[in-house]
Amino acid sequence: GAVVSQHPSWVICKSGTSVKIECRSLDFQATTMFWYRQFPKQSLMLMATSNEGSKATYEQGVEKDKFLINHASLTLSTLTVTSAHPEDSSFYICSARAANQFFGPGTRLTVL
Amino acid sequence: KQEVTQIPAALSVPEGENLVLNCSFTDSAIYNLQWFRQDPGKGLTSLLLIQSSQREQTSGRLNASLDKSSGRSTLYIAASQPGDSATYLCAVSQGGSEKLVFGKGTKLTVNP
Repeated sequence: GAVVSQHPSWVICKSGTSVKIECRSLDFQATTMFWYRQFPKQSLMLMATSNEGSKATYEQGVEKDKFLINHASLTLSTLTVTSAHPEDSSFYICSARAANQFFGPGTRLTVL
Repeated sequence: KQEVTQIPAALSVPEGENLVLNCSFTDSAIYNLQWFRQDPGKGLTSLLLIQSSQREQTSGRLNASLDKSSGRSTLYIAASQPGDSATYLCAVSQGGSEKLVFGKGTKLTVNP
């Protein structure tokens, strides 16, 4: 079956630093990947749609200059949280589209 | 704006019991509805996907129904097992869009 990986699985960083999260489709090519964020006891919320070779499409209220998305190949999308602050602490999940959406295992970000 | 609600928020049952999880959505113009399973700190596993033209889907001990006109879906789990303990998420996609709108989930605990 289609497998999506994320790296790292968890990260702790200091406030003001930048963190990069990778999302890879391991056995299929994905022209479209999605980035979600999930706060405790809340729904997964779509942050942005990442399209290979073009700019990402951000959902309303998501700062594109803070959450940088790069989809440089058909198997890799990266999300960089720039100048992270404690309120950015969350669970970030990506998905990649084949016939359906396949989700990665998520990355737990904690900003101190 | 589509909103997805899941009831109950949490459910605890003894092993072997049959149970029903509920999902409702405000905009009936959906493309499909999916049920996912999420284990603590993990990504999502797709359980069942129902197209808007379908009424139900079955997989093993799981049965999902869809009543699009009333904006409701149920996930029926037969003969529950401790291994079924997880959070179950319902998500809908709108026509022409791959965006998924998620509910907050139902946390299920099956006690041995």
